[in-house]
Amino acid sequence: SQQGEEDPQALSIQEGENATMNCSYKTSINNLQWYRQNSGRGLVHLILIRSNEREKHSGRLRVTLDTSKKSSSLLITASRAADTASYFCATDAGDSGGSNYKLTFGKGTLLTVNP
Amino acid sequence: DTGVSQDPRHKITKRGQNVTFRCDPISEHNRLYWYRQTLGQGPEFLTYFQNEAQLEKSRLLSDRFSAERPKGSFSTLEIQRTEQGDSAMYLCASSPGTSGVYNEQFFGPGTRLTVL
Repeated sequence: SQQGEEDPQALSIQEGENATMNCSYKTSINNLQWYRQNSGRGLVHLILIRSNEREKHSGRLRVTLDTSKKSSSLLITASRAADTASYFCATDAGDSGGSNYKLTFGKGTLLTVNP
Repeated sequence: DTGVSQDPRHKITKRGQNVTFRCDPISEHNRLYWYRQTLGQGPEFLTYFQNEAQLEKSRLLSDRFSAERPKGSFSTLEIQRTEQGDSAMYLCASSPGTSGVYNEQFFGPGTRLTVL
């Protein structure tokens, strides 16, 4: 079953604008990650935020995590046409040894960046 | 290219036929995962291996599905008596298996299955 829900389901912006996507999840987590998927391709890992972190940056990406609300947001600044893709959040709850094994994904946000 | 590879990339089959997919993980990774992704949805976990041992199977993995990783390297996913509902992208991922720390999963390009 899907753990999370991304919001919005689809987002269309102009090049240079910022894009914000949100993710909500249901159960306690160890980590939350964001992945990108170009049409018909595999998943590319973008950024990971641990459950004890609140904000993380990587290049043009900014991720926030609010464990009290079980939600996360991904901000892409100064978007480019090449950012056009589906974006998924994924959570892992870890096994008894404390390390992750399976990821639970949301349904994704389809981002279109118009030139 | 030393990433995760999957073969074939596309498979079209008729209902009732058997199909087998192969995944070659990154060579030093001892964990291997299979996910299934249907149109408009996120990937859903199917099963995972630690070396050659299959440690968990999702309820999505019916009796018609079987996965193996005989030597702890490549893995195969077989679907017997395919149904139209099996049409999906089948994704494989691999990761190191270091206990107690986060292990990033690296995904392959996927095998797209179409059952007619």
